Amino acid sequence: AQSVTQLDSQVPVFEEAPVELRCNYSSSVSVYLFWYVQYPNQGLQLLLKYLSGSTLVKGINGFEAEFNKSQTSFHLRKPSVHISDTAEYFCAVKTGTASKLTFGTGTRLQVTL
Amino acid sequence: DTGVSQDPRHKITKRGQNVTFRCDPISEHNRLYWYRQTLGQGPEFLTYFQNEAQLEKSRLLSDRFSAERPKGSFSTLEIQRTEQGDSAMYLCASSLIGTGGTDTQYFGPGTRLTVL
Repeated sequence: AQSVTQLDSQVPVFEEAPVELRCNYSSSVSVYLFWYVQYPNQGLQLLLKYLSGSTLVKGINGFEAEFNKSQTSFHLRKPSVHISDTAEYFCAVKTGTASKLTFGTGTRLQVTL
Repeated sequence: DTGVSQDPRHKITKRGQNVTFRCDPISEHNRLYWYRQTLGQGPEFLTYFQNEAQLEKSRLLSDRFSAERPKGSFSTLEIQRTEQGDSAMYLCASSLIGTGGTDTQYFGPGTRLTVL
């Protein structure tokens, strides 16, 4: 069975500082990995995805993530955050044979001045 | 490019009533998913369709829940005899699956259900 762990429920950070949101997954087969962002009272917006190829993937809004198979991680990073990045971030995994996404419990990124 | 739309955005109902939600996927997407998200949690899979066929249902989908996608376009999710525990955000996603590889799911804005 696949599972996702997001260790940090909340991450406070000052504007223009760098940030890393951690995601670890558990799966015995090959995986596809996704990061979604959710603003208050809205649905999920796709930030980036890893399907195959280069382990460093770039997404929208200046975010990037690196797939690390040996550490079963897919951490999300941004070198300089903005107030507008304040939102809930969800990591999700899908195995090659499954159709559904399995989500982590989310990390609340709070950016302040 | 029109995204996934859901209607209504908010629904307040009394316990025991039936409710129905609608999801319109991105045009020509052949897969449609339903997820449920409770406060402070990530979305949990409920069911999905490929065209008009319902291919998988979660154990979370009790007998009171039913979903349809009659013509392989829009989908409805009905909850009968609602309970307070059904209060949640119901999210719909759609994707295009081809030969080989995997699909990327795009989500709608969700329907927030409150059962009093």
